[in-house]
Amino acid sequence: DGGITQSPKYLFRKEGQNVTLSCEQNLNHDAMYWYRQDPGQGLRLIYYSQIVNDFQKGDIAEGYSVSREKKESFPLTVTSAQKNPTAFYLCASSTYRGGMDEQFFGPGTRLTVL
Amino acid sequence: AQTVTQSQPEMSVQEAETVTLSCTYDTSENNYYLFWYKQPPSRQMILVIRQEAYKQQNATENRFSVNFQKAAKSFSLKISDSQLGDTAMYFCAFVSFGNEKLTFGTGTRLTIIP
Repeated sequence: DGGITQSPKYLFRKEGQNVTLSCEQNLNHDAMYWYRQDPGQGLRLIYYSQIVNDFQKGDIAEGYSVSREKKESFPLTVTSAQKNPTAFYLCASSTYRGGMDEQFFGPGTRLTVL
Repeated sequence: AQTVTQSQPEMSVQEAETVTLSCTYDTSENNYYLFWYKQPPSRQMILVIRQEAYKQQNATENRFSVNFQKAAKSFSLKISDSQLGDTAMYFCAFVSFGNEKLTFGTGTRLTIIP
């Protein structure tokens, strides 16, 4: 089955630690996205990538980093510089037409800082 | 910058009734796309419906339809014959032509009552 997988489903982090959230897709999509979701807010874009080895900052990139070494994979690292990382993180992908195409979402990762 | 406003944080209707979710947006662009995404309790987002601004005809997908009023910058979602499986958060989203970034509203939590 084609789709997007995210792991882990739940992640706990101690303050001062970096953690990496995994996102993999087998839809052969060029574009991939990372969103953060907080209660009472919509999705906010962290980073996005339209092509391998290239990515751009979204609206709330501070304290996060990404890589895009393979078309299928777009991992997100939450660094210790992110002041309030507890949130629900969603990864998405789409065919290369920017945001105009449907985005397909993964099941999400819930990150909690202890 | 574009903004998307969903003024109804929560709604509830009886099963089989019709419900309309509101969305307004602000943009100076003329070509753009609008979306409604559904996030059920499983939290995996899926696309409900998509509207291209240059098309005057309102988009329809089975029980889901939109009322797109370009001059009023309004994009409401109508769900007919509502079902228990329609219980979810619904997000309105906007992207201008050529842009890669979606802008989401804060969502409406819809509960279908048996």
